[in-house]
Amino acid sequence: AQSVSQHNHHVILSEAASLELGCNYSYGGTVNLFWYVQYPGQHLQLLLKYFSGDPLVKGIKGFEAEFIKSKFSFNLRKPSVQWSDTAEYFCAVTPLSGGYNKLIFGAGTRLAVHP
Amino acid sequence: EAQVTQNPRYLITVTGKKLTVTCSQNMNHEYMSWYRQDPGLGLRQIYYSMNVEVTDKGDVPEGYKVSRKEKRNFPLILESPSPNQTSLYFCASSFDQETQYFGPGTRLLVL
Repeated sequence: AQSVSQHNHHVILSEAASLELGCNYSYGGTVNLFWYVQYPGQHLQLLLKYFSGDPLVKGIKGFEAEFIKSKFSFNLRKPSVQWSDTAEYFCAVTPLSGGYNKLIFGAGTRLAVHP
Repeated sequence: EAQVTQNPRYLITVTGKKLTVTCSQNMNHEYMSWYRQDPGLGLRQIYYSMNVEVTDKGDVPEGYKVSRKEKRNFPLILESPSPNQTSLYFCASSFDQETQYFGPGTRLLVL
């Protein structure tokens, strides 16, 4: 079955530290890739997405992600985190199958940034 | 303002008492979905709809029903709620199956 794995369930960082959240998926075909963020008490918001082209994509708030097809990975990065980045981050994948393209989520990574 | 709305936002109920969570979008999107979010499991799709009167099961449909009589509305129905349906529920809509827009969530507690 298709699945998405996020390696870290909880991450604690100090402000200005660099962030990298891992995401791997299991599907051999073409995929669309997403990172969503959920701030405390809020709904999910799209952080960035990759459909095709340059595998390094930039999103909002200084986040970026790199698609490495050979590794089935789509890791999220930010050079310097802020306290306001405290949130839960979800990697999601849509395997493109020609029919209904379902969005499959990873379990999420809770990030806590301390001042 | 483009948005997905859900009601109620919070609900406490008892086992067996039928309930409906409404979802409405004002973006004329064809695709709508319901997810439940549980700690350590991420979001799992319950049902989805590709257009009016077209619905299908997601990954965890047991105990839920949906209907899509109008394009803008996609209610989630729990005919006989049970405690294992205590969860945070999100409705989402999309125009092209690519980028989904999520509602604010409904936190349900079934006693």
